[in-house]
Amino acid sequence: DAGVIQSPRHEVTEMGQEVTLRCKPISGHDYLFWYRQTMMRGLELLIYFNNNVPIDDSGMPEDRFSAKMPNASFSTLKIQPSEPRDSAVYFCASSFSGQGISPLHFGNGTRLTVT
Amino acid sequence: KDQVFQPSTVASSEGAVVEIFCNHSVSNAYNFFWYLHFPGCAPRLLVKGSKPSQQGRYNMTYERFSSSLLILQVREADAAVYYCACMGSSNTGKLIFGQGTTLQVKP
Repeated sequence: DAGVIQSPRHEVTEMGQEVTLRCKPISGHDYLFWYRQTMMRGLELLIYFNNNVPIDDSGMPEDRFSAKMPNASFSTLKIQPSEPRDSAVYFCASSFSGQGISPLHFGNGTRLTVT
Repeated sequence: KDQVFQPSTVASSEGAVVEIFCNHSVSNAYNFFWYLHFPGCAPRLLVKGSKPSQQGRYNMTYERFSSSLLILQVREADAAVYYCACMGSSNTGKLIFGQGTTLQVKP
């Protein structure tokens, strides 16, 4: 089991540029979550999918943020245009609903720095 | 509003038992989840459930709206961020996390 795979591990970009973060969930998992981690707010849920369909995007901070899940093995989180306040660690996580109360399995995260 | 609350920092000495407290205002949440996070790594589940439970040196207490994580025989290597989370209604898998508690361990 390779776990949840995120890329890139680190991203440094200039304000105004487009940023795309990628995630491959654990095979067979039907839920996928995007979280943002900051010192002030901890882990904030941005959006989550069930069977590739977005269920709740109420945590997406602004229209500059968008997420897609074109198939069961891939998701992207895009920020366009990026701003310095978007600097944070972004985590992707997946889970399987067929096991009752299933915990989330996290990737190693993408550390985004916007200058 | 659905929220989870935990202290920002807890300090302990090596060898002691440390307690990290958590409470919530999440609608219809019955399960707590405790995660350990070292910077640069994936947050890792330590213990979960809707009743008191234990996994190795990690004990979880349980009340309807609160839980504590107790770490036995604390070591310097336990210094990290500990997240408490609750799952809301409908068992969607969606976890609501607290701000995280940074554990400081003094030798």
